Amino acid sequence: EVQLVESGGGLVQPGGSLRLSCAASGFTFSSYDMHWVRQATGKGLEWVSGIGTAGDTYYPGSVKGRFTISRENAKNSLYLQMNSLRAGDTAVYYCAREHSSPDWYFDLWGRGTLVTVSS
Amino acid sequence: QSVLTQPPSVSGAPGQRVTISCTGSSSNIGAGYDIHWYQQLPGTAPKLLIYGNSNRPSGVPDRFSGSKSGTSASLAITGLQAEDEADYYCQSYDSSLSGPVLFGGGTKLTVL
Repeated sequence: EVQLVESGGGLVQPGGSLRLSCAASGFTFSSYDMHWVRQATGKGLEWVSGIGTAGDTYYPGSVKGRFTISRENAKNSLYLQMNSLRAGDTAVYYCAREHSSPDWYFDLWGRGTLVTVSS
Repeated sequence: QSVLTQPPSVSGAPGQRVTISCTGSSSNIGAGYDIHWYQQLPGTAPKLLIYGNSNRPSGVPDRFSGSKSGTSASLAITGLQAEDEADYYCQSYDSSLSGPVLFGGGTKLTVL
């Protein structure tokens, strides 16, 4: 079955760190650009980061310098290292597959993992 | 900062036609970049609904259609059904510092 499964979410204090993982299956993971998209409760979707098949990375200004996206093709896994977390980073984080580079749209999504930043 | 603007909410009765607009700027839709649409049913992950302005992935009913003109795009839903009640998001590539991926704020569709 073609799917993405996120893990690693949880409760973390402001200023803390967390590493999210996304396990891919059912497709050739190494051939696809991958992304993270987040959604605060009751809010819209916000793109968080992207990584190409060659390891090139992309971030919006809101997370640049704090978040690091990476991938491990041998393990069919995508990661998001989040540092210096703030209350505003509280959200469900989705892993998403880009249809084909450089289409810049997402044809497969995981179910998400919840990150809560609170003291 | 670039944005894609959607109405917060739209509504319609079963069987009716509704449209959801997405207004962008010269750094995204106006620059010729494609618009894509996602449907998010309550409590679930987003699902690709329309890609490349007007194309439907396999399995998406032809009741859903998309169009683009100038700096705006629209999603139309005909023959509205109760199961269409969801949040809808437009998305595009953006060449400004906001990008390269930009989502609209989302539109809540209520089926009356």
